[in-house]
Amino acid sequence: DAKTTQPPSMDCAEGRAANLPCNHSTISGNEYVYWYRQIHSQGPQYIIHGLKNNETNEMASLIITEDRKSSTLILPHATLRDTAVYYCIVRVADRGTRSQGGSEKLVFGKGTKLTVNP
Amino acid sequence: DTGVSQNPRHKITKRGQNVTFRCDPISEHNRLYWYRQTLGQGPEFLTYFQNEAQLEKSRLLSDRFSAERPKGSFSTLEIQRTEQGDSAMYLCASSLDHRDTGYTFGSGTRLTVV
Repeated sequence: DAKTTQPPSMDCAEGRAANLPCNHSTISGNEYVYWYRQIHSQGPQYIIHGLKNNETNEMASLIITEDRKSSTLILPHATLRDTAVYYCIVRVADRGTRSQGGSEKLVFGKGTKLTVNP
Repeated sequence: DTGVSQNPRHKITKRGQNVTFRCDPISEHNRLYWYRQTLGQGPEFLTYFQNEAQLEKSRLLSDRFSAERPKGSFSTLEIQRTEQGDSAMYLCASSLDHRDTGYTFGSGTRLTVV
């Protein structure tokens, strides 16, 4: 089962910031937070990931609370092409050690359907 | 390299027939993954290869499913004796093992079993 909780849907006006929340209250110390998005009829696309510090790349910013129990993905200037389902995933950082809980699999929930309106 | 390539994009088959899908990962990626996605749900993990070795399999991968990656490059996923419940999008992804920058997914193969 997914270890994250996301709202099923959100709307955002084009040009405004989209802030997508995710709760992961049972996250372990060695688990990263990953964000992917899936545009209709395409495979998921990696956006960003982080452990405990805030992260920023050319696509988005990731804000993780100090207790790491929740995070927010920020799309600073949403465009119509950002309309997609956004998935928040937690995964063990040590990918190769199965005895420590490492696993290669990503456990996707149902995500948040973000609609950017003109 | 243009990314992860999956073929065919669409497949319609009759119940009971066998089907095979192919995935060509990004050339320098040594890790390859198969996922399945049904309508309205997130992708579900099926299996994972590191080079040619199949290292992890989901319980979703019943004995009718088999995946191979014979030379550590492309991979095939075969479903024998297809059932209507196998209708789904089958997604392939690849990654490097020393760079944790996420997986690159293909566009998937949509299977319809009639």
